[in-house]
Amino acid sequence: ETGVTQSPTHLIKTRGQQVTLRCSSQSGHNTVSWYQQALGQGPQFIFQYYREEENGRGNFPPRFSGLQFPNYSSELNVNALELDDSALYLCASSLDGASSYEQYFGPGTRLTVT
Amino acid sequence: AQRVTQPEKLLSVFKGAPVELKCNYSYSGSPELFWYVQYSRQRLQLLLRHISRESIKGFTADLNKGETSFHLKKPFAQEEDSAMYYCALEGGADGLTFGKGTHLIIQP
Repeated sequence: ETGVTQSPTHLIKTRGQQVTLRCSSQSGHNTVSWYQQALGQGPQFIFQYYREEENGRGNFPPRFSGLQFPNYSSELNVNALELDDSALYLCASSLDGASSYEQYFGPGTRLTVT
Repeated sequence: AQRVTQPEKLLSVFKGAPVELKCNYSYSGSPELFWYVQYSRQRLQLLLRHISRESIKGFTADLNKGETSFHLKKPFAQEEDSAMYYCALEGGADGLTFGKGTHLIIQP
């Protein structure tokens, strides 16, 4: 059984640029959730995808967007980067669109915006 | 809006002493609550959920709807319990809402 993987591990971007983060779900999982974790804070829900459709969204602006592919891998795209977007981005996979199922987290991507 | 509060940023106890990590929540519906743990250099993982009512690694948590609390307890702390602990609330389409976390340090 393959765990959740994320790429890249770290990256540095400049304010105003765009970034794409990638996540590969655990084998057999059809749901992926993305979280932003600022330093010293708990993870904050961005959105969830279930079978390639957005299934829920947190309080993030539209410049945060996502995709889920037929193999259930996923991307998080952030446009017009701001300094406050600097954070650890976590993805988590689970079964069947419900957060009440156990979520399996990836190691995260550390984004720094300068 | 749903909210999870973990009042202690840091909790330090001696090995063998009891541990209680506090969690309070605010939610208008019937909550589903979880404790997630992150050990050093490892990824975030589920420790336990209230609906399963089980004990994991000696930890238990009871949902108290009257006090809107879901405190995590262990009668005798072990050094390997040192980690970051997050309480989380499941809110349907709002995903998981996490608290800010409590850093638990078990001193030898």
